[in-house]
Amino acid sequence: QVQLQESGPGLVKPSETLSLTCTVSGGSVSSGSHYWSWTRQPPGEGLEWIGYISYSGSTSYNPSLQSRVTISVDTSKNHFSLILTSVTTADTAVYYCARTSAAGGYWGRGTLVTVSS
Amino acid sequence: QAVVTQEPSLTVSPGGTVTLTCGSSTGAVTSGHYPYWFQQKPGQAPRTLIYDTSNKHSWTPDRFSGYLLGGKAALTLSGAQPEDEAEYYCLLCHNGARLWVFGGGTKLTVL
Repeated sequence: QVQLQESGPGLVKPSETLSLTCTVSGGSVSSGSHYWSWTRQPPGEGLEWIGYISYSGSTSYNPSLQSRVTISVDTSKNHFSLILTSVTTADTAVYYCARTSAAGGYWGRGTLVTVSS
Repeated sequence: QAVVTQEPSLTVSPGGTVTLTCGSSTGAVTSGHYPYWFQQKPGQAPRTLIYDTSNKHSWTPDRFSGYLLGGKAALTLSGAQPEDEAEYYCLLCHNGARLWVFGGGTKLTVL
């Protein structure tokens, strides 16, 4: 069964860049018709979709974040990544990675990123 | 941008039945929105219960079922258990699956 694990700094300063990685085990990021996505959840709030990279390499992002977001895949390391630039305190959240497809949805456990000076 | 609407809160008695719904501001929800339902308990990551309208994961209890009802996606819980108390989120894929939108979540209380 596929498993996903987020990793990255837990603290980022305002105006800097947030960078997270999602390591995939039990499956390959380069096989299957899957969508590799990022979602976040600010403390005490609901889920917000950030974006995805598809099995074909195409990307799609939340329009509200599109100008600051990049999602990419590294097949050699079997992981995919999230970059969010020019962060503010509003970007403080638990960030989740997931694999979604016609075979269902698998989520990582999430990682808390706090934006603070 | 599409807005996805869920009931903010619902209460069900133990052993009872409750239906959660998921609507879209763009119109009727169809199978082409690939409705997903997630369960999230405090301090935990979301867990997928239902995908593509009605498909269940191996871990999804049989008492949960997903379907389309009256232009919305629906999740019915039949025979509620105390452990079903959680937040439930739906996800709809718009614009040919290029725009994913979560609903605001339904806080389900089993009481």
